[in-house]
Amino acid sequence: TQLLEQSPQFLSIQEGENLTVYCNSSSVFSSLQWYRQEPGEGPVLLVTVVTGGEVKKLKRLTFQFGDARKDSSLHITAAQPGDTGLYLCAGANAGGTSYGKLTFGQGTILTVHP
Amino acid sequence: GAGVSQSPRYKVTKRGQDVALRCDPISGHVSLYWYRQALGQGPEFLTYFNYEAQQDKSGLPNDRFSAERPEGSISTLTIQRTEQRDSAMYRCASSRSAGVTYEQYFGPGTRLTVT
Repeated sequence: TQLLEQSPQFLSIQEGENLTVYCNSSSVFSSLQWYRQEPGEGPVLLVTVVTGGEVKKLKRLTFQFGDARKDSSLHITAAQPGDTGLYLCAGANAGGTSYGKLTFGQGTILTVHP
Repeated sequence: GAGVSQSPRYKVTKRGQDVALRCDPISGHVSLYWYRQALGQGPEFLTYFNYEAQQDKSGLPNDRFSAERPEGSISTLTIQRTEQRDSAMYRCASSRSAGVTYEQYFGPGTRLTVT
């Protein structure tokens, strides 16, 4: 069974601070996705990383896929209250009957205080 | 355009009753996934379909849970003889196709409470 360990589970910071969320596994994934979920809503995709060592930027968000494709990180610069939400990493594999099936991490609840 | 819809949004049922949760995916999406999500946690995979074929049901907790997608569009997740531990948010997602880079679009979920 593939597992994704996400840390920290909770993060409470002030507006303007930087933060990093980590997603780690002992297994290799074909791709890693990051989702953001707001209260009462379903998760919404932020980014997909596929290549080991890949870095993608989305405004103030920077996503990195580890060289061995076992881990990933999400870094937010100058956090804003609008960044508040549940951040989820999810890994997918290309093999067998589970093609495309996502394994989610436990999530990181981020609260940014004004 | 219409997103993934689920019904009912809220379901309260008594222990021992059967429930059927419905998912209407985005039109044309080949793949459909069912998840269960605890508050503040990541979704837990239950099962998924490509067209009408159930590809993987390894996440279904036990044989009281079943799912179908007979015409490759709408899907129903059925829980028989519900128990209190079945109380959770059940989410459906669909994607254009199965694949490691395809985005999954999630529905609003059905909040199931078993009393």
